[in-house]
Amino acid sequence: AQSVAQPEDQVNVAEGNPLTVKCTYSVSGNPYLFWYVQYPNRGLQFLLKYITGDNLVKGSYGFEAEFNKSQTSFHLKKPSALVSDSALYFCAVRDYQTGANNLFFGTGTRLTVIP
Amino acid sequence: GAGVSQSPRYKVAKRGQDVALRCDPISGHVSLFWYQQALGQGPEFLTYFQNEAQLDKSGLPSDRFFAERPEGSVSTLKIQRTQQEDSAVYLCASSLVSLPNEQFFGPGTRLTVL
Repeated sequence: AQSVAQPEDQVNVAEGNPLTVKCTYSVSGNPYLFWYVQYPNRGLQFLLKYITGDNLVKGSYGFEAEFNKSQTSFHLKKPSALVSDSALYFCAVRDYQTGANNLFFGTGTRLTVIP
Repeated sequence: GAGVSQSPRYKVAKRGQDVALRCDPISGHVSLFWYQQALGQGPEFLTYFQNEAQLDKSGLPSDRFFAERPEGSVSTLKIQRTQQEDSAVYLCASSLVSLPNEQFFGPGTRLTVL
């Protein structure tokens, strides 16, 4: 069975400080991992993905994430937070082993960047 | 180009009514997904189409939920005899078969069942 855990419901960070949003996962085989961001009354927007290759992936708006197989983690990071980064962030996994095409999402982390 | 569109954006239904939610995927996107997002939760998979074929409906919560994509483009999610627990945002996503890991999401339809 596949699962995604986002242990923090809420993350607060001061503008200009680095931010981290945590994600751990569980799948039967090799994972495909994703981060999406959701703004109010808008659909999910893709930020970045890990499929294979370099463990550090870079995405939109200056975000990056590091795949750590031993810790089964895929934490989202940004060196310097902006107020406009305040939103709801979802980690998701696709279990390649099962052949399923759908994504399995975590429960989300609300990021608030304080001016 | 245009993204995924969904209509209506908001729907209020009385318990027991039938509703139909529409999704227009990105042109040329063969794969189409429906997800349900309850308040405070992440999206949960409902069903998946490749062209007009419904290849996976394992996430549909009951036989009151039905989805179709008769011409391989527009899709409709129908909920019969709506219940209060059906209240959620219903998200549609589409992707190219060649790029299954690039799912583009629509803005969703917020369904409220009274």
